[in-house]
Amino acid sequence: DAGVTQSPTHLIKTRGQQVTLRCSPKSGHDTVSWYQQALGQGPQFIFQYYEEEERQRGNFPDRFSGHQFPNYSSELNVNALLLGDSALYLCASSLSFGTGRETQYFGPGTRLLVL
Amino acid sequence: AQKVTQAQTEISVVEKEDVTLDCVYETRDTTYYLFWYKQPPSGELVFLIRRNSFDEQNEISGRYSWNFQKSTSSFNFTITASQVVDSAVYFCALSEATDYKLSFGAGTTVTVRA
Repeated sequence: DAGVTQSPTHLIKTRGQQVTLRCSPKSGHDTVSWYQQALGQGPQFIFQYYEEEERQRGNFPDRFSGHQFPNYSSELNVNALLLGDSALYLCASSLSFGTGRETQYFGPGTRLLVL
Repeated sequence: AQKVTQAQTEISVVEKEDVTLDCVYETRDTTYYLFWYKQPPSGELVFLIRRNSFDEQNEISGRYSWNFQKSTSSFNFTITASQVVDSAVYFCALSEATDYKLSFGAGTTVTVRA
């Protein structure tokens, strides 16, 4: 049973560039959430996708956008990169029964460094 | 707004000692869900346990146990007979029934020395 997978594992970009991160959910899961984890901090919720729509968004600027595909995989796009966007980006998948009650399972993350 | 506090930043123990991690949460919802995750140096968050607010029975799963006290808004987690492989950052997280996101604490770094 494949778990959550993410690509790439590491990425180096320069300020002002754009980046796309990818996530495939755990088999049978239909919901994908994205989190940003700065060094030494807990993960912060970016947004969640369900049925190819953004269902909820955290306190992140519009530079952060996403997409969910019919096969439930997802992309996170960040435009106009800032130094402060350097972080570990975690994708989590779950099976949607309703709000809050689903356990989210995380992938290995993508480490983004912005120079 | 929901909030999770992990007051312990680092804990260091010798192998076979027990380790208890503290977690205090704030929420206005009467129905909510609490989680513990482990993050080894590789970076992947590994789900350990969850507890629903309407079930206060404390349980043991292998070397893991947890103590959920709604009266004090605490959800503490214990590793019994710690092993070197338990060395990681441990996160407590909260999800409200009216919400989709997980809110995490700042994490506690556990180091188990041989």
